[in-house]
Amino acid sequence: DIVMTQSPDSLAASLGERATINCKSSQSVLYRSNNKNYLAWYQQKPGQPPKLLIYWASTRESGVPDRFSGSGSGTDFTLTISSLQAEDVAVYYCQQYYSSPLTFGGGTKVEIK
Amino acid sequence: QVQLVQSGAEVKKPGASVKVSCTASGYTFTSYGISWVRQAPGQGLEWMGWISGNNDKTHYAQKLQGRVTMTADTSTSTVYVELRSLRSDDTAVYYCARGIDYGDYLPVDHWGQGTLVTVSS
Repeated sequence: DIVMTQSPDSLAASLGERATINCKSSQSVLYRSNNKNYLAWYQQKPGQPPKLLIYWASTRESGVPDRFSGSGSGTDFTLTISSLQAEDVAVYYCQQYYSSPLTFGGGTKVEIK
Repeated sequence: QVQLVQSGAEVKKPGASVKVSCTASGYTFTSYGISWVRQAPGQGLEWMGWISGNNDKTHYAQKLQGRVTMTADTSTSTVYVELRSLRSDDTAVYYCARGIDYGDYLPVDHWGQGTLVTVSS
């Protein structure tokens, strides 16, 4: 199984500040034949199902604010919230869909300082 | 609009089975696969498996093989997950979620509301 490791476990930032979440996979999720990274990011607020933010490592889902961006390739990925808003308080998960079983990182809790 | 509506909460005894349904609307059911993801209380997300919209293909997480079955009824646009030989660590919220496209290993963009399954003696 591909193990997804997120860091930090939690972070607190001020409104308007940049927040950065890291995700590392135990093996590459880059599929060479199409040069795509099989990596997604989700946001989950309390009592709600997760919401897809980013897929193919950097493609923003329709309707997701452009302050959310994804980057990275191979085994190291980053989700950046460029200017943290109150409504961004949530737990964020990365997920690889390169191979079965699809696996998630342990989550990063984002709070307002 | 795309909607996935799941069946209600269940309480089961250890060793029993549970079957959760997920009824889809707002899109062509056979054109997308459905994944099942569960979340134990206060814990992270666990992928359980995937079924094609036309019920001709499934993938299950190895750790659940032999205990889980996913089926799809194209006449009612409903997907089911059945989990047998329930244990206390199967207590979780179970989500169905639609893939972003037809393919099997894809992220999901629409989720059901979740079904709490509690396993307790």
